[in-house]
Amino acid sequence: GEDVEQSLFLSVREGDSSVINCTYTDSSSTYLYWYKQEPGAGLQLLTYIFSNMDMKQDQRLTVLLNKKDKHLSLRIADTQTGDSAIYFCAESRLIEAAGNKLTFGGGTRVLVKP
Amino acid sequence: DVKVTQSSRYLVKRTGEKVFLECVQDMDHENMFWYRQDPGLGLRLIYFSYDVKMKEKGDIPEGYSVSREKKERFSLILESASTNQTSMYLCASSLVTVINTGELFFGEGSRLTVL
Repeated sequence: GEDVEQSLFLSVREGDSSVINCTYTDSSSTYLYWYKQEPGAGLQLLTYIFSNMDMKQDQRLTVLLNKKDKHLSLRIADTQTGDSAIYFCAESRLIEAAGNKLTFGGGTRVLVKP
Repeated sequence: DVKVTQSSRYLVKRTGEKVFLECVQDMDHENMFWYRQDPGLGLRLIYFSYDVKMKEKGDIPEGYSVSREKKERFSLILESASTNQTSMYLCASSLVTVINTGELFFGEGSRLTVL
């Protein structure tokens, strides 16, 4: 079955880079995602990467995928206090007629200190 | 903008009560999902539906049922609530497309406390 693991907590100083790591088990994953959850809100998609890519950059966000090691990371450059949130890694598997089924990690709580 | 609306943000129920959690999406998405979120466990899929009147069990369906009578509405039902069902419940929807990136759009969540 699918399993996604993340560390629980990350503390970082404002202006530094943050790196959040994730490992997954399903080698047939089609897409991998990073979602952000701010306090009292649902999850919002930050970025995603197709499984045949190894890197994707989007402004301050860099996603690295090591498919051999089943390791995904999210780097946030110049971290701001507004980046304090819970970040979820997720993998997807294609289900016939139903699209993608996502499996989420436990979430990494990122605290940005001024 | 896609909007997924969960009718109740906070509920307090007693053990044994029947509980309905309602979710409505306004973007004609085929797929709808119910997750529960618990600290350290992340999101776990309870049920999903890929069409009206269709439903599929997720990873933790025990103690729950669902209803999808209309495309825009997906309801989660706890027939007899128990204290271990105290949790945050998140509804999500997604569009099935040729590209099929699988992006989920989430509601703000319903925090259920069962006493």
